[in-house]
Amino acid sequence: AQSVTQPDIHITVSEGASLELRCNYSYGATPYLFWYVQSPGQGLQLLLKYFSGDTLVQGIKGFEAEFKRSQSSFNLRKPSVHWSDAAEYFCAVAGGAGNMLTFGGGTRLMVKP
Amino acid sequence: DGGITQSPKYLFRKEGQNVTLSCEQNLNHDAMYWYRQDPGQGLRLIYYSQIVNDFQKGDIAEGYSVSREKKESFPLTVTSAQKNPTAFYLCASSRGTGGNSPLHFGNGTRLTVT
Repeated sequence: AQSVTQPDIHITVSEGASLELRCNYSYGATPYLFWYVQSPGQGLQLLLKYFSGDTLVQGIKGFEAEFKRSQSSFNLRKPSVHWSDAAEYFCAVAGGAGNMLTFGGGTRLMVKP
Repeated sequence: DGGITQSPKYLFRKEGQNVTLSCEQNLNHDAMYWYRQDPGQGLRLIYYSQIVNDFQKGDIAEGYSVSREKKESFPLTVTSAQKNPTAFYLCASSRGTGGNSPLHFGNGTRLTVT
C-alpha cells in the first residue's frame, strides 16, 4: 500500500523568503503525485500534479514541485512567500487498487511579516 | 459556477443520535468521496462511489453509511456506532477514480458530538 510522509508539521517563514515543503512517498511504481492547499475551515484546492514526463511541474499561485524518483520525494517550492500563502499544505499520492488518493499528515505554514 | 456544496457548515449533535451530512455537486462528475480530517492526521477516506447506486468502503468506514441514488448527491450518515464522530468532514468529487482525475473539494462540515 502506498503512504505519504510530510516530515514538518509546522513551518514558519518570513514574507518574501523562499519556501520548501517536504514530501516523501512510498509506492512500488511511478505514482501520481499531488499538492493541495487548505485555508482554515475550507476545503482543499489543487496546487499542482505530476503524472509523468518533466519532473519539475508548475502550479498555481507561483508554486512548483520536483519529482525525484531516487529519493521518493515530491517537494513543493516557492521562491518568495506572500502572507496569503499561510495555510495547510497536503501532499498526496495515487496508486494501487482503485487509484485512491493517500494523503500525508499536512504541513501548516505560517508567514511572518 | 460549478462546484460542490456541503451543508451545514457546522453541526452539533448529542451522543447516540445519527446525523446526515449533505453533499451536492453540479460538476457532472461520476465519482464522489467522503473524507474525515483530524488534526495532524491528514485526510482519511470513509467511503467512495464511482457510479450511481454503487459505493465502496474506504479505510475508516465503520460507523458510517452512505447512499448514491443520484449522480449529484452523496450524503453521509454518521451513526451512533461511530466511536469518535467529532471531526471535520470533507466531500469531494472527480471525473473518474483514476489517479489522473484530481479531486474537487467542498468546504466541509464540522461535526461536534457531545
